[in-house]
Amino acid sequence: EIVMTQSPATLSASPGERATLSCRASQSVSSDLAWYQQKPGQAPRLLIYGASTRATGIPARFSGSGSGTEFTLTISSLQSEDFVIYYCQQYNNWPPWTFGQGTKVEIK
Amino acid sequence: VQLQQSGPGLVKPSQTLSLTCAISGDTVSSNSAVWNWIRQSPSRGLEWLGRTYQRSRWFNDYAVFVKSRIIINTDTSKNQFSLQLNSVTPEDTAVYYCARGDRTGETWGQGTLVIVSS
Repeated sequence: EIVMTQSPATLSASPGERATLSCRASQSVSSDLAWYQQKPGQAPRLLIYGASTRATGIPARFSGSGSGTEFTLTISSLQSEDFVIYYCQQYNNWPPWTFGQGTKVEIK
Repeated sequence: VQLQQSGPGLVKPSQTLSLTCAISGDTVSSNSAVWNWIRQSPSRGLEWLGRTYQRSRWFNDYAVFVKSRIIINTDTSKNQFSLQLNSVTPEDTAVYYCARGDRTGETWGQGTLVIVSS
């Protein structure tokens, strides 16, 4: 089973700043990587799939990059609603889907 | 597509956890859809539990760590699918989600907190 590791666990930033979140796979997953956003009390919402393709309705300030074992989610200018938790998920070797442990973006 | 979950929020140890996910905007027997159960707890994070889908016939896949205890069923007359997890312990306490998607979770249910306690 592929293990996904996210860093940092918590990212402190201010509104308007750029945020960079990392996800590493224990072995190559090619570009079979998704990012989710989870707000308190809600289910995860798909942001990015294929490492870099935004899902329907996702704002352009969210972008993904990377391939193989190293991936990045960038939020170009943090809005108030972006201070929540983000997860990566691989689907190169599935089932099962495997998720990272999450990065919490908090207000500095 | 919308998914609406139902089921009890409290289950006693050694008993069976049962949840249902009702589908609107799609059909459970669609030849292009895959239906999943995932759970989330503070200690274990997000864990994929299993899936069901129909192609030429019905297929089920289960996570290794629950394979001996899990059943995912479908009810085409009610357009829904269900999760049964047997012999639960307090470690099965989590928020359970149903989700539509093959490679990723495109659409999720609202989540059900299930507490395993006597």
